[in-house]
Amino acid sequence: GAVVSQHPSRVICKSGTSVKIECRSLDFQATTMFWYRQFPKQSLMLMATSNEGSKATYEQGVEKDKFLINHASLTLSTLTVTSAHPEDSSFYICSASKDGRYGYTFGSGTRLTVV
Amino acid sequence: GENVEQHPSTLSVQEGDSAVIKCTYSDSASNYFPWYKQELGKGPQLIIDIRSNVGEKKDQRIAVTLNKTAKHFSLHITETQPEDSAVYFCAASTGSQGNLIFGKGTKLSVKP
Repeated sequence: GAVVSQHPSRVICKSGTSVKIECRSLDFQATTMFWYRQFPKQSLMLMATSNEGSKATYEQGVEKDKFLINHASLTLSTLTVTSAHPEDSSFYICSASKDGRYGYTFGSGTRLTVV
Repeated sequence: GENVEQHPSTLSVQEGDSAVIKCTYSDSASNYFPWYKQELGKGPQLIIDIRSNVGEKKDQRIAVTLNKTAKHFSLHITETQPEDSAVYFCAASTGSQGNLIFGKGTKLSVKP
């Protein structure tokens, strides 16, 4: 089946620093990947759509200069949280679909804590 | 845009009983409806999905029904077990490289 690997699973960083989160499709190619953010006891909110070889599409209210997305290959998308602040602390999750339409598989998530 | 409502927010059942979670959606163009199970600290896991050309789908103890006219779909879990305890999310998508819109989730507790 489709496997999506996300790394790191947990990261603690100091306020003002940047953190990079990787999302890899291990056994399939993904021209599109999605990045979600989830606050405690809440649902998943789409942040942006990552497109291989082109710019990401951000949802309304998501700062593109703060959440940098790079989709340099068909199996890797990265999310960089720049100049992180405590309010950026959250659970970040990526997803991808083998056929690009159905059966979205999620990564295991990254718990970011900014101190 | 699409809006997905999910009920109930919490559900407690006795082991062996059935559990039903219901969702409604607003966009008639949506044609793909997956259900995810999320355990604490982990990413969501796809447990079953249904497309709009099908009214019902079953996989062992799990089934999903879809009523396109009424724009609602439901998850049915029979013979619940303690390991079914988790948060369940429904979602909807147009399926054309479209992103998933999630419901708010249902915390299911199965008591032994």
